[in-house]
Amino acid sequence: AQSVTQLGSHVSVSEGALVLLRCNYSSSVPPYLFWYVQYPNQGLQLLLKYTSAATLVKGINGFEAEFKKSETSFHLTKPSAHMSDAAEYFCAVSYGQNFVFGPGTRLSVLP
Amino acid sequence: NAGVTQTPKFQVLKTGQSMTLQCAQDMNHEYMSWYRQDPGMGLRLIHYSVGAGITDQGEVPNGYNVSRSTTEDFPLRLLSAAPSQTSVYFCASSSRLAGFYNEQFFGPGTRLTVL
Repeated sequence: AQSVTQLGSHVSVSEGALVLLRCNYSSSVPPYLFWYVQYPNQGLQLLLKYTSAATLVKGINGFEAEFKKSETSFHLTKPSAHMSDAAEYFCAVSYGQNFVFGPGTRLSVLP
Repeated sequence: NAGVTQTPKFQVLKTGQSMTLQCAQDMNHEYMSWYRQDPGMGLRLIHYSVGAGITDQGEVPNGYNVSRSTTEDFPLRLLSAAPSQTSVYFCASSSRLAGFYNEQFFGPGTRLTVL
């Protein structure tokens, strides 16, 4: 079965520091890849997506992610964390008939 | 364009009661799905539909029914509510892109408590 793993259920960074949230998928066929953000007591909002075009994808709020086929990874980064980035982040993949979410990573930003 | 709408936003039920969570989308998306979200459990797929008249079970379908009579609507029915069904429920919809499902658009969620 296809799966998505996110290393670290909880990541803490200082304000202004680099944000790196990891996502790896298992698939023999390059899927479509997505990152979602969920702020407290809200629904999920799309941050960015990869659908077979440029491997470096830029999203909203200064986030970007790079698709690396050889590593089956799609890690999310932001050069400088802001307090407003504190939220839960979900990686997801579309394998054709299936759409699979990772377990999520809670990002805390420390002042 | 309202996107994906869900009603109600909050609901409290007693054990054994039944109810329907409503979900509608106005984007003409083929694919619709229901998830539940519990602390530390991520999103778990309950049921999904790839078009009107077609539904299938997800990861945690027990205790829930769905139907898809129109492209727009995808209601989720709780047959006999149990405390284990206390959760936040999200509806989502998606279109297809080159044979794969594109990003899912989510509704705002329904927070359900079963006493």
